[in-house]
Amino acid sequence: NAGVMQNPRHLVRRRGQEARLRCSPMKGHSHVYWYRQLPEEGLKFMVYLQKENIIDESGMPKERFSAEFPKEGPSILRIQQVVRGDSAAYFCASSLLAGETQYFGPGTRLLVL
Amino acid sequence: TQLLEQSPQFLSIQEGENLTVYCNSSSVFSSLQWYRQEPGEGPVLLVTVVTGGEVKKLKRLTFQFGDARKDSSLHITAAQPGDTGLYLCAGEPTGANSKLTFGKGITLSVRP
Repeated sequence: NAGVMQNPRHLVRRRGQEARLRCSPMKGHSHVYWYRQLPEEGLKFMVYLQKENIIDESGMPKERFSAEFPKEGPSILRIQQVVRGDSAAYFCASSLLAGETQYFGPGTRLLVL
Repeated sequence: TQLLEQSPQFLSIQEGENLTVYCNSSSVFSSLQWYRQEPGEGPVLLVTVVTGGEVKKLKRLTFQFGDARKDSSLHITAAQPGDTGLYLCAGEPTGANSKLTFGKGITLSVRP
């Protein structure tokens, strides 16, 4: 997973606050994917973005969650009004082209108190 | 939803033993990946298989993709304590638009 950077690595929020998770893909990669890993669960797909476009957001909750991948800068996963159930590890992956191998970052561990 | 079932869920063996673990589905996948994840880290890609019946070797690890592209196995020869970790299989279902489906993983512990 060298190359995909995520920050912060750990994030603590109180219920009702906002959480912003950042992902910088590998150099040259324009496809970004976000996954969530709950305790004792496998990784679940949330959203797939290409520069300035959301390609597939079928795994993302309709409320409070949003994602963007601007022309310049990292991809952002934003969670508004966090609840305890949002506590999880959030992973970002990137690929060079659509359908090619995805390389994962180290994740952001979100804890909602 | 296409599910990937991994088995066994937990495995504890002695250093030097051989082992085989499985990743099964009732659905067809255009490709399948195996990742290894350490605690507190992200999944690290081990291999991608794309052709039914394909066998790939990575040192002491042998990966096989089923003929029908519905299942895969990972065989480790002469396991070492450094092999300890969570092994995840992930597949891209046909027509899934790059969306990976993950199994829950196999927790392997190799005792010295």
